[in-house]
This record gives sequence, structure tokens and C-alpha cells, in this order.
Amino acid sequence: NAGVTQTPKFQVLKTGQSMTLQCAQDMNHNSMYWYRQDPGMGLRLIYYSASEGTTDKGEVPNGYNVSRLNKREFSLRLESAAPSQTSVYFCANQKRAGGRNEQFFGPGTRLTVL
Amino acid sequence: QKEVEQDPGPLSVPEGAIVSLNCTYSNSAFQYFMWYRQYSRKGPELLMYTYSSGNKEDGRFTAQVDKSSKYISLFIRDSQPSDSATYLCAMSDNAGNMLTFGGGTRLMVKP
Repeated sequence: NAGVTQTPKFQVLKTGQSMTLQCAQDMNHNSMYWYRQDPGMGLRLIYYSASEGTTDKGEVPNGYNVSRLNKREFSLRLESAAPSQTSVYFCANQKRAGGRNEQFFGPGTRLTVL
Repeated sequence: QKEVEQDPGPLSVPEGAIVSLNCTYSNSAFQYFMWYRQYSRKGPELLMYTYSSGNKEDGRFTAQVDKSSKYISLFIRDSQPSDSATYLCAMSDNAGNMLTFGGGTRLMVKP
């Protein structure tokens, strides 16, 4: 089982370019998340999806859009990249069992916007 | 002020030392408390999970929650070089839909 996979692993964009970060899970969990991680800032939630077809904004949604077309995949789109979006992006899913919520993370996408 | 505060370190200790990592928080609605470990250039992975106040032990790791002080700790006994990583605290309310993370503490255990 691959768990949570992300593509690409690395990306360099120029200001104004667009791109989509892909995330897929084979764990059959309903909830999926997109975070960004910047030095000293921990993980900040961009968007999340509680189930297929639903999405909600997190702490830092500006400049991003998401799409949850099916249970397995949750993509993050940057329509017009800015240098402030240089970061490491993590996708995660969440398992709920017996009152315990555990999030599983992908390996991350390192994005640089010039 | 951030909802969850964590000293960024780095914290450098000799092998075999006892390590104490801490977080403070301001939101009294937080009920679930977690510690994630993140190795360099990897995604975080769950290390410890606790509910409400009290202690939880798992091998060399002990998680402690003091809700009255809004303070959580992770203790690592007999630290090993393989424990070198960034440790992130995280917490959520009863709904559990979203986690709020601390900034992470980088730990280095030297042989």
C-alpha cells in the first residue's frame, strides 16, 4: 500500500504561472487535507475535504483552489503563482476510529516560485 | 499571538540524554493532543496521541498534558541519534476535523 502519494516531488515556477499539485490515497479515508509548511511556521491548513464532493477553507486559502472529484484524489491548484507561495506542500488524509483521529501525510512537494 | 507556541530550537543533546519538548496553547477547546515526528525531507508521522489531561507512555516516549496550564510535553528517555528530527505538536477540538500545529522543534542527538 502506497498510503498518500503526491506529485510532483519538486517544481520551479515563474511568477504568474499556474500548476496543479496532485494527491492520491489508497487508504479509503473520507477526509483529506492540504497544508503548507514554512520555516518556523509549522503546518498551516490551506483547504480540506471532509468527503467526496465537499471542500472547506482552512487557515491560509488565498491564492489556492482545490478539487475533490472522487474519494481517492484531492488536487491543489495555484492559478497565478507568487513568490509568497514558495513552500513545501503536504497532502494528508484522516482516519477516524474509536474517537481517535489520525492524519497520515504524503512525502511533500517542494515548490519554488521565482 | 499564535494559537500554539513551540520553541523552534535547535536542541542539541548527547546520546542517552533525557529530552523534554514542550508546547503551550491558548484555545481551551482543544481536547486531543498529538506529537508528530518529521525526518528531514519527509512528511510528518504520528508519534503520540493523548486525550485530555494526564500522561501516556510508549516505550522511550512519554506524552504529558496539563490542560489547566495549557501546556503539553513530550519526554524522550535514552535518546538515540535516530531520534534526530523535527517534533511538531498538534491539537484539535472535540470535532476533530482540523489540527492546529506548533512550529516544530528541531532535535539533534549527537553520538
